[in-house]
Order: sequence, then structure tokens, then C-alpha cells
Amino acid sequence: AQKITQTQPGMFVQEKEAVTLDCTYDTSDQSYGLFWYKQPSSGEMIFLIYQGSYDEQNATEGRYSLNFQKARKSANLVISASQLGDSAMYFCAMREDFYNQGGKLIFGQGTELSVKP
Amino acid sequence: SQTIHQWPATLVQPVGSPLSLECTVEGTSNPNLYWYRQAAGRGLQLLFYSVGIGQISSEVPQNLSASRPQDRQFILSSKKLLLSDSGFYLCAWSVRESAEQFFGPGTRLTVL
Repeated sequence: AQKITQTQPGMFVQEKEAVTLDCTYDTSDQSYGLFWYKQPSSGEMIFLIYQGSYDEQNATEGRYSLNFQKARKSANLVISASQLGDSAMYFCAMREDFYNQGGKLIFGQGTELSVKP
Repeated sequence: SQTIHQWPATLVQPVGSPLSLECTVEGTSNPNLYWYRQAAGRGLQLLFYSVGIGQISSEVPQNLSASRPQDRQFILSSKKLLLSDSGFYLCAWSVRESAEQFFGPGTRLTVL
């Protein structure tokens, strides 16, 4: 079964507008972490934001915020004021902590975001 | 600051040939190290991880192997490449199991 689901294969957004990228997850662990990474066409994976399962407040990093809804098991990424440089693939990932020696990350299939001028 | 290097950046190899991809991390000690593979248009799949020198855990059975001869060096190898080994290989590190992972620039491998 899919542990991380990203239902939007591709998204378009107008420059300077906000966009939400969806991510739902499945775990029975009480302690886990959720991550978002950006992958531009160069291929490098760039860490954007992290949310711990026990964090009460939604994580924010500059123009990125994570809309964490624990009961719904969703961890959507919100990008405010989109820029042309935001065009890239975005991956949601989860780390389950129980018996997870090494901190293995499970990735979703990604969402390709295109920012239009 | 910490940096992570991978080489080569691109590689084209015939089926049946050996493989050696190298990853090194600078600016930290005793990192957790990871090898991921990304097929075209897909998410990342963890292949191996290491929590210390000589300690390798395999996630996916395949014809690949990994070694960690030094604290900040992680090597991915194969004795005989298959067509299905083509993909984008990414090395990553973290300071501990519960921390975010930082990725290297990747190696694009094409097996012909």
C-alpha cells in the first residue's frame, strides 16, 4: 500500500500567486516526520521544510509552509507568492520512527509545478 | 558548512560491466549515509543506508552493493550491470536518524 500519496502529477500556478501541493500519508506510528523536497531540472534534491508528528504548530520556512492536519493524515505544502524559479518537481516524504534504524525516508511520486509568468 | 559530493555526474555503461559510484561528505563527522535511486519520472527508492563505518543495511535485494570504507565515504557498486539499473542515483546524509537528509547532486547512469 502507498504510504505517501501525491495525487497531483502536475500543477500550474500564475507567478506571484499561492499554490498548495497535496500530500497524504499512511502510518500507524505515533512518532514520525514529514518532509518536502524540491527537485529542479538539474536533479538535485533540495530540502524545503520539516514537520514532526508532535509539533503543534505548522512548520514555516520563508515562503514555504506546511499545512499539517494530523487527523486527516495530510501534510500539504503551501508556496506563497510563487516565483518562476519555483518550477520544479516537489516530493513529499515520511520518516516512521518506530523500529526505523537509520531514518529511512519514504517518498511520494511527486508533483510537477509549473509557474507561469 | 557541510557539503556532499558525488561522482561521476553522468555515466554510460554496457550491460554486464562493473559499477562504482562514490559519495563523500565534508564538514561533519559520523553522518548517516544513504543511497537512493530514482527511475525516470518517479519518486526515490532507498537502496542502502549506513549508520557507521562498515555498517551497511540493504533495503532492496538486487545486484548492487554498498560499502563505507571511511567515515564520510559511501560507495555503490555492482559486479555486472543490468539494463534495469539505469536511473538517477542520489547519495544523502543526515546528522542523526531523526534529522532531515541532505542530498548530493546525483549520478545519472545509463546502461546500454
